Amino acid sequence: EVQLVESGGGLVQSGGSLRLSCAASGFTFSSYEMNWVRQAPGKGLEWVSYISSSGSSIYYADSVKGRFTISRDNAKNSVYLQMNSLSAGDTAVYYCAREGTVYYETSGYQGNYFDSWGQGTLVTVSS
Amino acid sequence: SSELTQDPAVSVALGQTVRITCQGDSLRSYYASWFQQKPGQAPILVAYGRHNRPSGIPDRFSGSSSGNTASLTITGAQAEDEADYYCNSRDISGHTWVFGGGTRLTVL
Repeated sequence: EVQLVESGGGLVQSGGSLRLSCAASGFTFSSYEMNWVRQAPGKGLEWVSYISSSGSSIYYADSVKGRFTISRDNAKNSVYLQMNSLSAGDTAVYYCAREGTVYYETSGYQGNYFDSWGQGTLVTVSS
Repeated sequence: SSELTQDPAVSVALGQTVRITCQGDSLRSYYASWFQQKPGQAPILVAYGRHNRPSGIPDRFSGSSSGNTASLTITGAQAEDEADYYCNSRDISGHTWVFGGGTRLTVL
């Protein structure tokens, strides 16, 4: 069974830092691309960051670029999100999500989707 | 970056059929995925790709796509289907992801 367990959330002051972890189990972690997605209280889902299976490709949402750093340790089956210069706007539940892949031979289409999510960890930034 | 647009709220009578839509330029290139989220819970995938549904998801949930619009259809809505629904796809750049604003489904 696929399991993703986030940790590291908590209360931090504006301008502070926090490091989130996501521990994966039940699948070959090193074969999967991973993402972080967040949800502010009462708001919708917002994609935050992506990391390829090897860690060689990384992307960020404009809202966190330059402040957040995603990384992974395939030996530890974990993905991380280092968050610096936090502000009240970063207050949210942070989820890690695994990417699955679908391929349609008839059209040659190959695409990914978020097939598994963790339960989330709450980050609260106080001003 | 791309945007995905959803109606904020939709209602359906118990047992009836409802369609939740999602519009965006990226949907001309990428299939949407659909997530159901109930209060206090993590999102769960209910439909993805052309017409795919994860194991364990009831067959009353089905996804489809045409042009720049993706749809999630619930055929014979149940009380337990009351939730927020989000669409998601690759951004038009192909490197990042975008979510719709979500649709709150009420089952009357």
